[in-house]
Amino acid sequence: DAKTTQPPSMDCAEGRAANLPCNHSTISGNEYVYWYRQIHSQGPQYIIHGLKNNETNEMASLIITEDRKSSTLILPHATLRDTAVYYCIVRADRGSNYKLTFGKGTLLTVNP
Amino acid sequence: GAGVSQSPSNKVTEKGKDVELRCDPISGHTALYWYRQRLGQGLEFLIYFQGNSAPDKSGLPSDRFSAERTGESVSTLTIQRTQQEDSAVYLCASSLAGGINYEQYFGPGTRLTVT
Repeated sequence: DAKTTQPPSMDCAEGRAANLPCNHSTISGNEYVYWYRQIHSQGPQYIIHGLKNNETNEMASLIITEDRKSSTLILPHATLRDTAVYYCIVRADRGSNYKLTFGKGTLLTVNP
Repeated sequence: GAGVSQSPSNKVTEKGKDVELRCDPISGHTALYWYRQRLGQGLEFLIYFQGNSAPDKSGLPSDRFSAERTGESVSTLTIQRTQQEDSAVYLCASSLAGGINYEQYFGPGTRLTVT
């Protein structure tokens, strides 16, 4: 699977939008972009995923660039409970695609 | 409904001892996964169960690690002769079935400390 690159940390003010970037320049045509988060002392939690179109659900929006080499996770109105490590991964729709392998992710700190 | 549960939540053991970690998946989920997360690190895949069978054990770091699943439900991860490098959070996840189309739901993890 393609490798991803994320900034190690970001800060955001409560109530503002949090925009978390991810680079995946070696992504292949059949690979999806997935985002998870992990709140301190909890297990990872699925947020959203997409292939090439922008996606939105009750938690977040995912914007994928036209060339698919990068994406941005948007939390439209961040709250203190959104403080967590956010992981961007790329998963192929084939093979051992059940394996989740995270890097170090981005620690998002939402400040009051 | 009930989520994935794991026990114990914390385990401190002496080097050389054996430990057993338990995972109760969401009822009806046929796929079950074990992962490991060392302090400040990402997620490492250990093993995948489909039903009671483990088609992929490729992530188990050594033969001191083993896992089983019974009744297509509870799973136990056993670490024999624990070493300090085994210290980590061990996470269990389950999904309705295996594969990318099925979301994995994680338990809170068991924090293992080997002294």
